[in-house]
Amino acid sequence: AQKVTQAQTEISVVEKEDVTLDCVYETRDTTYYLFWYKQPPSGELVFLIRRNSFDEQNEISGRYSWNFQKSTSSFNFTITASQVVDSAVYFCALSDYSSASKIIFGSGTRLSIRP
Amino acid sequence: DTEVTQTPKHLVMGMTNKKSLKCEQHMGHRAMYWYKQKAKKPPELMFVYSYEKLSINESVPSRFSPECPNSSLLNLHLHALQPEDSALYLCASSQDRPGAGANYGYTFGSGTRLTVV
Repeated sequence: AQKVTQAQTEISVVEKEDVTLDCVYETRDTTYYLFWYKQPPSGELVFLIRRNSFDEQNEISGRYSWNFQKSTSSFNFTITASQVVDSAVYFCALSDYSSASKIIFGSGTRLSIRP
Repeated sequence: DTEVTQTPKHLVMGMTNKKSLKCEQHMGHRAMYWYKQKAKKPPELMFVYSYEKLSINESVPSRFSPECPNSSLLNLHLHALQPEDSALYLCASSQDRPGAGANYGYTFGSGTRLTVV
């Protein structure tokens, strides 16, 4: 069975601090996708990144970076120099490689950035 | 156009009402999805349509009835709902190219916030 665990329920940091959101996943599939989504208070799910299971390169996009480690089944997300606008719920998610399949979400981490 | 559009944004309905949620995309995606998200919980899949055919029904009660009239539209018909069905209903779409690393471009709409009174 597939499962995504986000052990951090809530995180609160002061603006400009770096913060890392943890994600651990379980799957029996050898090929799969991993995702991160942001959900601000307005409710929409904002896509941040999708990573194929066979691509373990870390990725950086501006202040965001992702560390994918297949050996530990982890896909952690770091925000550098956090800003108040980063406050949201962040979901890590997993899907298999087949077409039209569901995305399984972790329980989410609520991130609050204090000014 | 890289959006999934959902209407209405908010809906309040009584338990005896019949209403429909609508979802539209013009990205040429051939897979469309309905998810339900309760407060402080992650989204959970309800239905998947692939090439306008229902391919996954996650044991959803029959008071929720999906419909895919064409490749760009997805509806969710609601009838005799219960107050516990109040939630954010999210539509999504993705490319559906079997054998080609599918689920590409998985895009969510902004949702319909449904309240059943």
